[in-house]
Parts: sequence; structure tokens; C-alpha cells
Amino acid sequence: QVTLRESGPALVKPTQTLTLTCSFSGPSLNTRGVCVSWIRQPPGQALEWLARIDWDDDKYYSPSLKPRLTISKDTSKNQVLLTVTNMDTADTATYFCARIKSSGGGAWDVFDIWGQGTVVTVS
Amino acid sequence: DIQMTQSPSTLSASVGDRVTITCRASQSIDTWLAWYQQKPGTAPRLLISKASTLQSGVPSRFSGGGSGTEFTLTISSLLPDDFATYYCQHYDPYSSYKYSFGQGTRLEIK
Repeated sequence: QVTLRESGPALVKPTQTLTLTCSFSGPSLNTRGVCVSWIRQPPGQALEWLARIDWDDDKYYSPSLKPRLTISKDTSKNQVLLTVTNMDTADTATYFCARIKSSGGGAWDVFDIWGQGTVVTVS
Repeated sequence: DIQMTQSPSTLSASVGDRVTITCRASQSIDTWLAWYQQKPGTAPRLLISKASTLQSGVPSRFSGGGSGTEFTLTISSLLPDDFATYYCQHYDPYSSYKYSFGQGTRLEIK
């Protein structure tokens, strides 16, 4: 059974760098077909996709945030990390990590298992 | 970039009602459309993928339809547990903006 759990600081100051950890319980992150994304949700607002990392270390980023984001994985700990530089009050949000599932055709298109989220406040 | 627009933003309904939420894409997206349910303080739950494929464990009163630019999520007979916010989500295999969400539809009790 796959589970994900986010962790990181609850409070960061403007201009600081945020580092979040997603602990992935299940198969190794190097297992073919395992893809993990980060998604965030500001208070009372919609979901926003941030980044994705695949089993073969391919990485994809939201173009609007790409200059500030880095996604990586620590396979020894089976964790996915996200760093966000130059944090701003507009980055206050709940940050989720989620597994991506393929509906077929080799397209990893939906987020089927989510962590509970971690709240980050920038102030 | 493809924009996803949901309507209505808020929907008031009663237990037992049949409700439909619409998601429109700014250009054709085939059937690369998913639906999620989110309750306050919790993570979203995947309901439907590929526009109409019901996920395992999701009640059959939920159904999805559409293709191209217009999609629907229908709940055939509302139960108290269904009052939540619903999001559509598009996957674009050809774009850097691989995943985009609609702005959400809040389904509230009338």
C-alpha cells in the first residue's frame, strides 16, 4: 500500500528558501512507473501543480515557477524533496505531494494518492 | 496554455438532488480530464479519470462525461457526504504546463 507524508517548516520568512520532504512508503522511487508531484493550495483557493519527478529522474516544472523550484529524490530514504527559493507571502499555502497514476497509453495523468499536506506560512 | 473553467463556482442543492458541474477547456483536450473531491482540511480525492472512468471505491452515483472542450461531473442523488468542493484537472502531454486545475465548484447544502 502506497502512502505519502509531507514534512517541512510551518513558518518561513520572506526571501528564505523552503525545503519540503515527501516520504514515500511503497515501492522504491526508482521503480519503473513511479512518478511523484508537488501541488499547493493557498488558503481558500484552487490547487496549483508545481513539479513532478519520475522514476528515471526526469523532472517537469510549472513554467511560471520553474526559476524558483527544484525537485529531487533521495532514493536511500525513498523521499522526494522540493525547494522553493525566494519565498514570498503569496507562497503561503498547503503543500501536497501526490503519486501520479497512468490512465493508460504511457501518460501519467492523474494524482491518485495524496499526502495529508503540510501548511507553510510566509511571514 | 490551456485554461480550465468550471461552472458554477458555487452550487446549492439538497440531499437527493441530481447535480451537474461543468468544466470547459480553452481548446480541445480529447478526454484528458479528471475530477477530484475535496473536503475542508483534507487532501483531494480522485473520483474520475479520462473524463469518464470511475475510480475504484467511488460510488456509482458519480459519473463523468464529455470530450473535447466540455466535460461534466454528475452526482445522481446527493448524499450528505457529497457536500464538498470539486475540481477538474487537465493533463497535457505536449505542454510544459502538464497539469492544470479548474478553480473549483463548492457544492453546499441548500
